[in-house]
Amino acid sequence: EVQLVESGGGLVQPGGSLRLSCAASGFTFSSYWMHWVRQAPGKGLEWVANIKQDGSERNYVDSVKGRFTISRDNAKNSLYLQMNSLKAEDTAVYFCARSMDIWGQGTLVTVSS
Amino acid sequence: QSVLTQPPSASGTPGQRVTISCSGSSSNIGSNAVKWFQQLPGTAPKLLIYSNNLRPSGVPDRFSGSKSGTSASLAISGLQSEDEADYYCAAWDGSLNAWVFGGGTKLTVL
Repeated sequence: EVQLVESGGGLVQPGGSLRLSCAASGFTFSSYWMHWVRQAPGKGLEWVANIKQDGSERNYVDSVKGRFTISRDNAKNSLYLQMNSLKAEDTAVYFCARSMDIWGQGTLVTVSS
Repeated sequence: QSVLTQPPSASGTPGQRVTISCSGSSSNIGSNAVKWFQQLPGTAPKLLIYSNNLRPSGVPDRFSGSKSGTSASLAISGLQSEDEADYYCAAWDGSLNAWVFGGGTKLTVL
């Protein structure tokens, strides 16, 4: 069964850091672009970042450039999102997605003092 | 303000056909394929349509997608109560080098 499971969310103070992980199973992880997409409470979907199969290309939404870093470890079938200098407006459920066709259940990140 | 524009709401009665529009520009819908997602309350989004008009296996043929120029549409025929959900369109934007979503359309089955 194709599955994506996110972890690492939680409560963090403004200016703090958090690292999200996404464990993939049931498919050849190294063959797919991977994405992070977020959804603020009661709001719509916002694409955050993506990374090419071999990690050679990464793209980010303007609002997180310089603060967030997407990475992957194909040997561990895992996707990551390192989030630094977090702001209140980063509060959201963060989903990982395989080529945006298969999505995980999401992990909640709350940025608050 | 989303890059892709969708109506915030839509509604229909059981058995009816409803359409949801998604308007973009030459840098996104005009030059790249459109995806449509369904999000039921409290759940992760589910891919409904990819490459403008293709359905993943398991998606009923009641759902169909189309694209013309810089706009796309999702049509749902034979509306059912379980179709009540939020629907989002998305496309790659070559100018922004980013994926962009519509603001979402909340579909109510009356």
